[in-house]
Amino acid sequence: NAGVMQNPRHLVRRRGQEARLRCSPMKGHSHVYWYRQLPEEGLKFMVYLQKENIIDESGMPKERFSAEFPKEGPSILRIQQVVRGDSAAYFCASSPGTASEAFFGQGTRLTVV
Amino acid sequence: TQLLEQSPQFLSIQEGENLTVYCNSSSVFSSLQWYRQEPGEGPVLLVTVVTGGEVKKLKRLTFQFGDARKDSSLHITAAQTGDTGLYLCALSPGNTGKLIFGQGTTLQVKP
Repeated sequence: NAGVMQNPRHLVRRRGQEARLRCSPMKGHSHVYWYRQLPEEGLKFMVYLQKENIIDESGMPKERFSAEFPKEGPSILRIQQVVRGDSAAYFCASSPGTASEAFFGQGTRLTVV
Repeated sequence: TQLLEQSPQFLSIQEGENLTVYCNSSSVFSSLQWYRQEPGEGPVLLVTVVTGGEVKKLKRLTFQFGDARKDSSLHITAAQTGDTGLYLCALSPGNTGKLIFGQGTTLQVKP
């Protein structure tokens, strides 16, 4: 049973480009959470999704950021027109239910140059 | 305002020493989780504490939940270089499963 898979592991984008981060949850997990981590800091919640639904996006910036978790395929975190401040590690976690342990992927490290 | 305050922020010790890190809040929480995150990896759950006054042991790690359920501590006995990492406490408000993390304690254990 593979763990949470995130790709790419490292992503470099120029200012103004789009970044697409992918997360494949563990088998049987229908709950996906995205977090952002700046250097030497803890993780900040961004968005919580279930299949085809956004449940809680209270941590998402209002502009340029969007997330989806389609019926088929991985969850996608999309950042449009990236700026240097978007440089961070983005982690995805999945769980089979809200009261269950969430398992984290290895993260995608986004660098905006 | 940080919901969870962790201290110290950084800790550098020699192998074999003992250490304690803390996680505090002004609010009461129903449960608290401790994670360890190694460089380049995602956080891994170490333990969940639920009951006020609870003590849980995981090999050389001892976790304590305060009686008032507003604070928690992690004590490591005879630290090893493999204990190096970022230690995070987190709580899960409501019933959504999302986690609110403290800013973490970065631990470096030198040989």
